[in-house]
Amino acid sequence: GNSVTQMEGPVTLSEEAFLTINCTYTATGYPSLFWYVQYPGEGLQLLLKATKADDKGSNKGFEATYRKETTSFHLEKGSVQVSDSAVYFCALSDSMDSSYKLIFGSGTRLLVRP
Amino acid sequence: DSGVTQTPKHLITATGQRVTLRCSPRSGDLSVYWYQQSLDQGLQFLIQYYNGEERAKGNILERFSAQQFPDLHSELNLSSLELGDSALYFCASSISGGTTDTQYFGPGTRLTVL
Repeated sequence: GNSVTQMEGPVTLSEEAFLTINCTYTATGYPSLFWYVQYPGEGLQLLLKATKADDKGSNKGFEATYRKETTSFHLEKGSVQVSDSAVYFCALSDSMDSSYKLIFGSGTRLLVRP
Repeated sequence: DSGVTQTPKHLITATGQRVTLRCSPRSGDLSVYWYQQSLDQGLQFLIQYYNGEERAKGNILERFSAQQFPDLHSELNLSSLELGDSALYFCASSISGGTTDTQYFGPGTRLTVL
């Protein structure tokens, strides 16, 4: 079945460091891929998305490229800030699944220290 | 603010009881999804409605049920509650429920079963 695998956290970085959070997926159709962010005590917010191979999603300095050949959608940011501390979820929505539900990875907690 | 509202924010109840969680989707969105977030299971899809009709079911227990009303708000009913039902319950909405749609999440209802 469809699935998403994320790197285990927590990831601890110093401010202005480079961030990579790995995400790989398994899907039967042509999925859309998403990164959501959850700040403490809040709901999930869409960070970025890509709907077809080679698309790059970007928002607030974060980027991720839909790589069909490696079934990956890694999240990157060139210079993290303390305010980026949150839990990041990679997710997919599969065109072969009539519900179009989101399938989430387990989440990666990011802690950025001043 | 995603535009999706959920009430109540917190709910504390006892085993064996029944509760109702309410969700109002973003204006114009026809599709509503319910997800459960727990420490052991992560984020799991429960059920989806589209324009008042059930579209898909996920890992939803028989003790749980939901509906979407003509004004498009949705309710998730949880009955015969068990300790293991304690979790954060999210509602999300999207325009049509397609693969490329962005799902916008509400702030969640935290359910504690004592």
